[in-house]
Amino acid sequence: AQSVAQPEDQVNVAEGNPLTVKCTYSVSGNPYLFWYVQYPNRGLQFLLKYITGDNLVKGSYGFEAEFNKSQTSFHLKKPSALVSDSALYFCAVRSNQAGTALIFGKGTTLSVSS
Amino acid sequence: GAVVSQHPSWVICKSGTSVKIECRSLDFQATTMFWYRQFPKQSLMLMATSNEGSKATYEQGVEKDKFLINHASLTLSTLTVTSAHPEDSSFYICSARDPPATGELFFGEGSRLTVL
Repeated sequence: AQSVAQPEDQVNVAEGNPLTVKCTYSVSGNPYLFWYVQYPNRGLQFLLKYITGDNLVKGSYGFEAEFNKSQTSFHLKKPSALVSDSALYFCAVRSNQAGTALIFGKGTTLSVSS
Repeated sequence: GAVVSQHPSWVICKSGTSVKIECRSLDFQATTMFWYRQFPKQSLMLMATSNEGSKATYEQGVEKDKFLINHASLTLSTLTVTSAHPEDSSFYICSARDPPATGELFFGEGSRLTVL
């Protein structure tokens, strides 16, 4: 069975500091990994994905994530946080089998203070 | 990126009535769409996988007779909450995958249902 763990309910960082939002996963077969961001009462916006290839993936708004197969992790990072990055972040995984849905982690609220 | 449109974005209804939520892929064809439900401050729970031209596949614990899903065309899937009750109040989000199969899911803006 597929599962995703986001161990932190909330991450607090000061503007300008680097941020990390953690994610670990479990899936049979090769994983497809995603990060999405959600603002209040809105749908989800895609940030980045890992399918294959380079373990370091760069995405929207300066975010990046590193796929670590041995640690089954896909942590989201940004070198310098902005107040506008404050939102709810979801890590998601699905197997490489066609037609499978994404399974989401519980979400991590990122709060960036000025 | 691809656009998924959801309507209505907000609906309030009386207990016992039925509510239909539409999900449209605007600039691509989606043979498969997914319906999620999100409770306040919680993650997205997959309800069902909607397949164009065939019956939806429901996740365990989701009542198929209460949450009717129809995927009549490659650009439209509908979720009908039948005989709604206050406990059905939630944020419902649909998504669709822009081909190829490795593509990310694109999400609608969500529909907030409040049942009085």
